[in-house]
Amino acid sequence: GAVVSQHPSRVICKSGTSVKIECRSLDFQATTMFWYRQFPKQSLMLMATSNEGSKATYEQGVEKDKFLINHASLTLSTLTVTSAHPEDSSFYICSAKEVRMNTEAFFGQGTRLTVV
Amino acid sequence: AQSVTQLGSHVSVSEGALVLLRCNYSSSVPPYLFWYVQYPNQGLQLLLKYTTGATLVKGINGFEAEFKKSETSFHLTKPSAHMSDAAEYFCAVSERGSYGKLTFGQGTILTVHP
Repeated sequence: GAVVSQHPSRVICKSGTSVKIECRSLDFQATTMFWYRQFPKQSLMLMATSNEGSKATYEQGVEKDKFLINHASLTLSTLTVTSAHPEDSSFYICSAKEVRMNTEAFFGQGTRLTVV
Repeated sequence: AQSVTQLGSHVSVSEGALVLLRCNYSSSVPPYLFWYVQYPNQGLQLLLKYTTGATLVKGINGFEAEFKKSETSFHLTKPSAHMSDAAEYFCAVSERGSYGKLTFGQGTILTVHP
């Protein structure tokens, strides 16, 4: 149980285009999902917290108009990188917290985004 | 604000040797503590966690960690390293009651030599 699926696992896009990344909780309902970014050889940094049915809360320094987060259902959150640039190339990972279990969140497999 | 420091960005051990990965945290109150493992281009797998109760926590794959409040530490150990343990390990904390929102350490890459 507690499986989080992230899609796509890898994506290459041209500079200036937008990319959508999906995070799905497959066997549980997630009221809250978290989006992290990991630059090469660095740690994970929280970008935003996404709550079902409400606006995401962004961490300081993260541009909410560039990184659009939607959490329309209890099993799906999406992160859209708008007008992507090479500096947005990174590893993006989501995690989801189950409604009933007030413990740790479960991580997706991550998405490697390369902007060329 | 919370912070996590992992001492040593790279640790190298021989197969069968003791693994010790160090983690210290800074927090006004004892947080929840986690260790995750990450293989290349993959997500994070939870090794173990401490929230309350016994301070020595046993996790998967033979790993364990001990919460020491006086030292604000949560070091990860494994008595005997295996080649398959080679990966990057992250220590993380979350505020009590704020499950899921994690602050990560810098990560430690573990290399295991035959």
